[in-house]
Amino acid sequence: QSVLTQPPSASGTPGQRVSISCSGSPSNIGSNVLNWYQQLPGAAPKLVIYNNNQRPSGVPDRFSGSKSGTSGSLAISGLQSEDEADYYCAAWDDSLDEVLFGGGTKLTVL
Amino acid sequence: DVQLVQSGAEVKKAGESLKISCKASGYTLGTNTFARYWIGWVRQMPGKGLEWMGVIYPGDSETRYSPSFQGQVTISVLKSISTAYLQWSSLKVSDTAMYFCVRVGLNRKSSYFDYWGHGTLVTVSS
Repeated sequence: QSVLTQPPSASGTPGQRVSISCSGSPSNIGSNVLNWYQQLPGAAPKLVIYNNNQRPSGVPDRFSGSKSGTSGSLAISGLQSEDEADYYCAAWDDSLDEVLFGGGTKLTVL
Repeated sequence: DVQLVQSGAEVKKAGESLKISCKASGYTLGTNTFARYWIGWVRQMPGKGLEWMGVIYPGDSETRYSPSFQGQVTISVLKSISTAYLQWSSLKVSDTAMYFCVRVGLNRKSSYFDYWGHGTLVTVSS
């Protein structure tokens, strides 16, 4: 069981805004940055949000991130069919001295 | 462009040894550049999520492992050819998974993986 908790699934229709949460603890999200990865079917994961709310070059501004206390979230606005993927949050944990990933959220575009 | 090119899929039997590779390019002009970034490995078992295995610093080969993988695998690097490795001395069926190498950045205590390899599928049968 992952120490970072994500909902297993999320869904939305094209054009909608969806949000995926990631809950942790003081030793991980509470004291380190949160990063988000998108994994399209059959592909390697790709960084979509870093340092809680920064977008790498090439990632559409429809993707945004936020963090407050020991939780964070990834939001996707103007949902498109190409956004259908698995999304993972990740953070360093000071107590465990390792990177933790969330269990992943499967986003379905209806 | 930065690229991490991993070795091809492997099919092995339980008890066999294996070493897979991850060759970096696009930021390796001069071995010092490759040496500055930590390289990590991430496991993804069939139908499951991502798991951080450990990292290595090419500059001095300092290595850190997740407690879950300590003693189960060995991470190494050959700086002269900008290549990192992940190896097993005795594979188990439960090692069947996709393995990704990642560029970590300048700080090992980071979940910032800006570049990923395409993955190496390891299949272990009994």
